[in-house]
Amino acid sequence: GEDVEQSLFLSVREGDSSVINCTYTDSSSTYLYWYKQEPGAGLQLLTYIFSNMDMKQDQRLTVLLNKKDKHLSLRIADTQTGDSAIYFCAEIPYNQGGKLIFGQGTELSVKP
Amino acid sequence: NAGVTQTPKFRVLKTGQSMTLLCAQDMNHEYMYWYRQDPGMGLRLIHYSVGEGTTAKGEVPDGYNVSRLKKQNFLLGLESAAPSQTSVYFCASRPVAGASYNEQFFGPGTRLTVL
Repeated sequence: GEDVEQSLFLSVREGDSSVINCTYTDSSSTYLYWYKQEPGAGLQLLTYIFSNMDMKQDQRLTVLLNKKDKHLSLRIADTQTGDSAIYFCAEIPYNQGGKLIFGQGTELSVKP
Repeated sequence: NAGVTQTPKFRVLKTGQSMTLLCAQDMNHEYMYWYRQDPGMGLRLIHYSVGEGTTAKGEVPDGYNVSRLKKQNFLLGLESAAPSQTSVYFCASRPVAGASYNEQFFGPGTRLTVL
C-alpha cells in the first residue's frame, strides 16, 4: 500500500537553511507535493514536482526528488520566523481518483 | 470567488448525536474530498467524489457517510458520533483539467469535538 513518512520536528535559526525530508513507497505516483499549514489554518500548496523531474526551484524553495530511493526533500533558503508551520509531503497514487496520501507532517520551528 | 468553504467552523457533540458537515466550492471542480486530521498522523482520506452523484470510500470511511447531490456541494454525515471522531475535518476540491489540474484546494477546516 501507499505510505509517506516524515520526521515530526525540525528546529532552525533564522537565516539558516531548512531541509525537510520525506520518503514514499508508491513508485507509480506521478506528482509529489509540499503543503504548508500555519496554526489554526487550512493547507496551502507550496510547490509540487512531476515524477520525471529531479529538481524544481521556486524562489527560496528547492525540491529534490530521488526516484530510485523514493526520497523527496524541501529546502527553504534563508528561513524566516514566518516560515514556522507544519509542512506536509504528499503523493498522488496513479489512477485512484486523484486522492492525496499525506505524510504525518514536519513541524518547523524557526528561532530568532 | 470564495474558493472552498466549510460549515460549521466549530462544533461540540455528545456521543450518539448526528450532524452534517457542509463543503461548498464555487470553482466548478469535478473532484471533491473529505479528510480528517489528527495529531501526528497527517491527513487521512475519509471519502471522495469524482463527480456529481458519485462517491467512493477512502482510507478511513467507517462511521461516516457522504452525498454529492449537487456538483458544488459535498456533505459529510456522522450518524452516531463517537469520541474517536474528534478531529479537524478538511474538505478539498480539484478540477479534472486545466492549469490547476494537479492542485487540491482546501477549505479552512471544521474542528469537531465529541464528548
